[in-house]
Amino acid sequence: AQSVTQLGSHVSVSEGALVLLRCNYSSSVPPYLFWYVQYPNQGLQLLLKYTTGATLVKGINGFEAEFKKSETSFHLTKPSAHMSDAAEYFCAVSAGGGKLIFGQGTELSVKP
Amino acid sequence: SAVISQKPSRDICQRGTSLTIQCQVDSQVTMMFWYRQQPGQSLTLIATANQGSEATYESGFVIDKFPISRPNLTFSTLTVSNMSPEDSSIYLCSVEGTVRETQYFGPGTRLLVL
Repeated sequence: AQSVTQLGSHVSVSEGALVLLRCNYSSSVPPYLFWYVQYPNQGLQLLLKYTTGATLVKGINGFEAEFKKSETSFHLTKPSAHMSDAAEYFCAVSAGGGKLIFGQGTELSVKP
Repeated sequence: SAVISQKPSRDICQRGTSLTIQCQVDSQVTMMFWYRQQPGQSLTLIATANQGSEATYESGFVIDKFPISRPNLTFSTLTVSNMSPEDSSIYLCSVEGTVRETQYFGPGTRLLVL
């Protein structure tokens, strides 16, 4: 069965600092992995996805993630945080049949 | 990506009543999904709705409580029946995009049950 663990329910960084949100997964088959962002009072927006091919995936708003099979990880990074990045971030793994399994989410705060 | 709208965007309901949430997509899609996001929690899949067949419910969710309709390839409804305060959540619909396993979400319906 597939599962996702996000390390840290809340991460706080200063504006301009590196953003690192951690995600580890468990999957019995080659996984498809996703990061979604949820701004306050909004739905989920797809940031980036890994399906096959290049393990370093670039997404919107300057975010990127690297699929590391040996570490079963898919951490999300951004070199320089912006105030507008403050939101809830969810990592997800495909569970077959179009279904997604979500992690618990990480709330990112950005301090001026 | 698909453009998805939901109605209502939010509602406050009395316990014991029912609310039907609508999800409209701007293109034809095979698979639609309904999720629940309880306060401060992650998303939990309620059911998968394919046009022309009965919805498939996840463990812990039953059709009597969450009946779903899928009359065509661009529309679905989720009804939350006989509501209690524990049903207060955000309900989101999503669709599978052209890239397999990739889902796009609607803005959600914020439900408060008093």
